[in-house]
Amino acid sequence: NAGVTQTPKFQVLKTGQSMTLQCAQDMNHEYMSWYRQDPGMGLRLIHYSVGAGITDQGEVPNGYNVSRSTTEDFPLRLLSAAPSQTSVYFCASRQGSSGANVLTFGAGSRLTVL
Amino acid sequence: SQKIEQNSEALNIQEGKTATLTCNYTNYSPAYLQWYRQDPGRGPVFLLLIRENEKEKRKERLKVTFDTTLKQSLFHITASQPADSATYLCALDDSNYQLIWGAGTKLIIKP
Repeated sequence: NAGVTQTPKFQVLKTGQSMTLQCAQDMNHEYMSWYRQDPGMGLRLIHYSVGAGITDQGEVPNGYNVSRSTTEDFPLRLLSAAPSQTSVYFCASRQGSSGANVLTFGAGSRLTVL
Repeated sequence: SQKIEQNSEALNIQEGKTATLTCNYTNYSPAYLQWYRQDPGRGPVFLLLIRENEKEKRKERLKVTFDTTLKQSLFHITASQPADSATYLCALDDSNYQLIWGAGTKLIIKP
């Protein structure tokens, strides 16, 4: 089982550029999410989805878009990159929406915005 | 606002001793609390989940306690090994079924 696969692993952007972080899971999980991780801070939820065609905002959604056309894929789009978006991004999935379900994480994508 | 605190300073423990990590929370009544391990350059990996009506949960050398009165969870690793060195994250579910995360505690086990 591949679990959660994220690409790319590293990316450098210039301010104003756009890009898409890809996330795919092969566990048939209903719930998928994107987090960002910054030094000294807990993981912060950007967007999440409870199923195909359904997305919602998390704690820090500004500057990011998501879509969920299939159960497997949940791409994160940066519309116009800013230095404040320099971070490590994690995609994670779980079986359902309940807090009793545990998350499976991807390996992360390190993004630097110059 | 909801807040989760983990010791931001690294915890240095001698191999073979018990490591105890703390997770405190405020303005919160979670139904579940989870602990994850994160190695450098990797995503977090789930370790243990404990429910609000459970006092203690064990898995091999790991033990988690959950005190809803003190609003605190303790994470213990007994007979610690250098391979246990990592950052440990706690997370609690909020009223919208999303997880709120602590910043993590870095554990260093010295041979």
